[in-house]
Amino acid sequence: QSALTQPASVSGSPGQSITISCIGTSSDVGSYNFVSWYQQHPGKAPKLMIYEVSKRPSGVSNRFSGSKSGNTASLTISGLQAEDEANYYCCSYAGSSTLVLFGGGTKLTVL
Amino acid sequence: EVQLVQSGAEVKKPGESLKISCKGSGYSFSSYWIGWVRQMPGKGLEWMGIIYPGDSDTRYSPSFQGQVTISADKSISTAYLQWSSLKASDTAMYYCARHMTTVTWGLGPNYYYYGMDFWGQGTTVTVSS
Repeated sequence: QSALTQPASVSGSPGQSITISCIGTSSDVGSYNFVSWYQQHPGKAPKLMIYEVSKRPSGVSNRFSGSKSGNTASLTISGLQAEDEANYYCCSYAGSSTLVLFGGGTKLTVL
Repeated sequence: EVQLVQSGAEVKKPGESLKISCKGSGYSFSSYWIGWVRQMPGKGLEWMGIIYPGDSDTRYSPSFQGQVTISADKSISTAYLQWSSLKASDTAMYYCARHMTTVTWGLGPNYYYYGMDFWGQGTTVTVSS
C-alpha cells in the first residue's frame, strides 16, 4: 500500500493558477470518488479543502477546485494569494484492507 | 461548534508506555468515526487507523496494525491512541480527525471514509533516552 504520488513542490505568482496532481492506482483513486485534499501551514493542523473529488466544505474559497481522471486526481488553485503558500496533501479511500492513503505532500510556494 | 481537543505534549523513554487522548465536543461523538494521523518531523501525513465510538468498531492501516491501539470512551466523548512500548521512531506529531463516512450494505456494512472535516490541534510525542 504505497502512498499516493504528488510532486514535491510547485510554485506560482500571485493571481496565477496552479494544479497539483495526485497519482494513485486502480485500487484507490481510480476506484472511488473519495479523494480529499488538505492544506497545512507550518506548525498547524491540516485543513480540509476538498472532499469527494470536487466538493468544497463551507467556508473554503471557490478558488480551490478538484477533479479526477482515471487514477489521477488534481487540485487547482486559481487566483493565487500569498496565504495559499502551504503544504497540500491528497488522500483517498483505498479499499477495505488498506482503508485510507495519503499522498506524500506538495509544497506550494507563492513567488 | 465542533472541537477536538488533544492532550498535551509527551516526552518518554524507549520502552515506556503511553496513551494520548482526543476529546470531542459540539457534536454527537458516538456517531462519527474518529481517526489518528501521524506526522513525523519534517515529513508527510500517514493515516494510522480509526474507531467508531458508538460500538468501538476499530480498523487499522496495515502499516500500524499491531504497533498501536486505538480505543474510545463514548461516555466522556474521548478517543485514545496508545503504545505499550515506545520506540525512538514513534517520535512524531499525532493528530486526531473526525471522518466523514458513507456506508453501503452487503452481507454487512461497508464503510467508506471520504474526508476528515475536523482536526485536533495535535499532540507531540518525543521518545528519547
